[in-house]
Amino acid sequence: DTGVSQDPRHKITKRGQNVTFRCDPISEHNRLYWYRQTLGQGPEFLTYFQNEAQLEKSRLLSDRFSAERPKGSFSTLEIQRTEQGDSAMYLCASSLAFTSGELFFGEGSRLTVL
Amino acid sequence: GENVEQHPSTLSVQEGDSAVIKCTYSDSASNYFPWYKQELGKRPQLIIDIRSNVGEKKDQRIAVTLNKTAKHFSLHITETQPEDSAVYFCAASNQAGTALIFGKGTTLSVSS
Repeated sequence: DTGVSQDPRHKITKRGQNVTFRCDPISEHNRLYWYRQTLGQGPEFLTYFQNEAQLEKSRLLSDRFSAERPKGSFSTLEIQRTEQGDSAMYLCASSLAFTSGELFFGEGSRLTVL
Repeated sequence: GENVEQHPSTLSVQEGDSAVIKCTYSDSASNYFPWYKQELGKRPQLIIDIRSNVGEKKDQRIAVTLNKTAKHFSLHITETQPEDSAVYFCAASNQAGTALIFGKGTTLSVSS
């Protein structure tokens, strides 16, 4: 499968723990996005990268969230000191800059904070 | 930053009827307006998009219209079928630099 892959698909953690999600984009895509989606809501933008540079980060994003894309390929999203309100589906998407603009989404990583 | 409002939040139609979903955006610099369909338990997938140099675009039973002056755009689905039942999201961005911002979604139910 040459689509966007995310790992793990499901994560259950206790409040206060740190969690990390990984996203592997489509190989030739230079843009990578992280979104969060809760039930009945649209994808909420968190941050995005072009190659290894983090170009934009949501102003609403807590300092407990950090993302990296060290070599311009895969990306990690870390949430420190998780809270119950962090429970959501974390979606990764990738695209090729200056082409069609279509985002290709992964299956998502579902986080449950107890 | 960009803000996208979407209406209605739910829409129920009979098979064969038309469905219209409307969105407004706030940033006049936005120039790219895609629509995504998300079936239950699946990832969002692009169904159609439009750029600001075009007023309307059609692809078989779906069409999108854009009014840049009023900052709103709409999705039209004709001859709806049960397999059109899903959540539809509109979105907007300035492709040159900003990320895609999504509306809250419309749950479309098509009954046969």
